[in-house]
Amino acid sequence: AQKITQTQPGMFVQEKEAVTLDCTYDTSDPSYGLFWYKQPSSGEMIFLIYQGSYDQQNATEGRYSLNFQKARKSANLVISASQLGDSAMYFCAMREGDGNAGGTSYGKLTFGQGTILTVHP
Amino acid sequence: DGGITQSPKYLFRKEGQNVTLSCEQNLNHDAMYWYRQDPGQGLRLIYYSQIVNDFQKGDIAEGYSVSREKKESFPLTVTSAQKNPTAFYLCASSITGIQKLFFGSGTQLSVL
Repeated sequence: AQKITQTQPGMFVQEKEAVTLDCTYDTSDPSYGLFWYKQPSSGEMIFLIYQGSYDQQNATEGRYSLNFQKARKSANLVISASQLGDSAMYFCAMREGDGNAGGTSYGKLTFGQGTILTVHP
Repeated sequence: DGGITQSPKYLFRKEGQNVTLSCEQNLNHDAMYWYRQDPGQGLRLIYYSQIVNDFQKGDIAEGYSVSREKKESFPLTVTSAQKNPTAFYLCASSITGIQKLFFGSGTQLSVL
């Protein structure tokens, strides 16, 4: 069964607008972590944001925020005030067995198939 | 500057040949990982290592081998048993107990 699903193969947004990239996940483990990574054309994976399953508040990192809806098992990434440099592939990922922040799990991430974001001037 | 260095950036393999992809990190991280990425796909875990001289298979370990003789280095060998090796390979590392993975810039492997 697919554990991480990104249903949007491609998304387009106008510069300075906000955009939401969808991610749903499936796990029976009460402890898990959710990640978003950005992959520009250079290929390197850039960490954007993390949400732990026990975190009470939605994670935010600058222009990135994670809309975490636990009951719906969704972890959508919101990018505010899009910039041309935001054009890239975006991956949602999950790690099962995460504790609270600072837990002892390792980096065995399961990735979704990605969403290509194109920002238009 | 601290980071993860993968080399070479591009690699070509002939039929029946083993090739080794290099991954070096100077972040003093305990754990290291190898992921494979096929076009238009997400990453899949090949092998990971939590400490020196120890490593575990990931989801797609068949046809690959690794070693972890030094904390800084985690080379990946793509053996002739891997029948479809063409892919983009990413190495990553992390500190034990810290959620974030740091990635290298990747190696594109192609078959001649």
